[in-house]
Amino acid sequence: DIQMTQSPSTLSAFVGDRVTITCRASQNISPWLAWYQQKPGKAPKLLIYKVSSLESGVPSRFSGSGSGTEFTLTISSLQPDDFATYYCQQYDTFPYTFGQGTKLEIK
Amino acid sequence: EVQLVESGGGLVQPGGSLRLSCEASGFTFNTYWMSWVRQAPGKGLEGVANIKHDGGERNYVESVKGRFSISRDNAKNSVYLQMNSLRAEDTAVYYCARGKGLIDYWGLGTLVTVSS
Repeated sequence: DIQMTQSPSTLSAFVGDRVTITCRASQNISPWLAWYQQKPGKAPKLLIYKVSSLESGVPSRFSGSGSGTEFTLTISSLQPDDFATYYCQQYDTFPYTFGQGTKLEIK
Repeated sequence: EVQLVESGGGLVQPGGSLRLSCEASGFTFNTYWMSWVRQAPGKGLEGVANIKHDGGERNYVESVKGRFSISRDNAKNSVYLQMNSLRAEDTAVYYCARGKGLIDYWGLGTLVTVSS
């Protein structure tokens, strides 16, 4: 199975900060990489697919980049609604594995 | 509006069985792959199984092979997950999801607890 490793596991930041979350795959998965946001007690929500394509309705402060095995999710200016857990996922090869998650907390 | 509504979760003893159902609405169900994704309490996400739009292809994560079976009824816009020989480690919220790998819509989830 393809292993997905996110860093950091927890991130504390202020409203207005620019933050970056990294996701590393155990083999080349380009361009089949997605990012999801999950809030407590809720289902995940798709933010970005195919490395950098923004899902409809997702604010433009979210962006994705990367290639091969290294990918990043960037939030350009954190808003109060952005504090949540973020997961990367590869959908190149079944089983379609997720990273362990990055919890974004308010500082 | 796309909606996915799961049902069938609950408390079951180890070794028992449970059948989850998911009713879909708001899209042309018979043109989409469907998946089940689970999340153990306080843990991350794990894809469990998926099924092609016509039911002609099904995939399972290794840990559930031989115990779980995914199926669908396109006439009822529904997808199912039959879970047998349940173990404590199967305890999780099970999400019905639209898509093969990339998931663009998720249900609210149904909790399955395996405990004696």
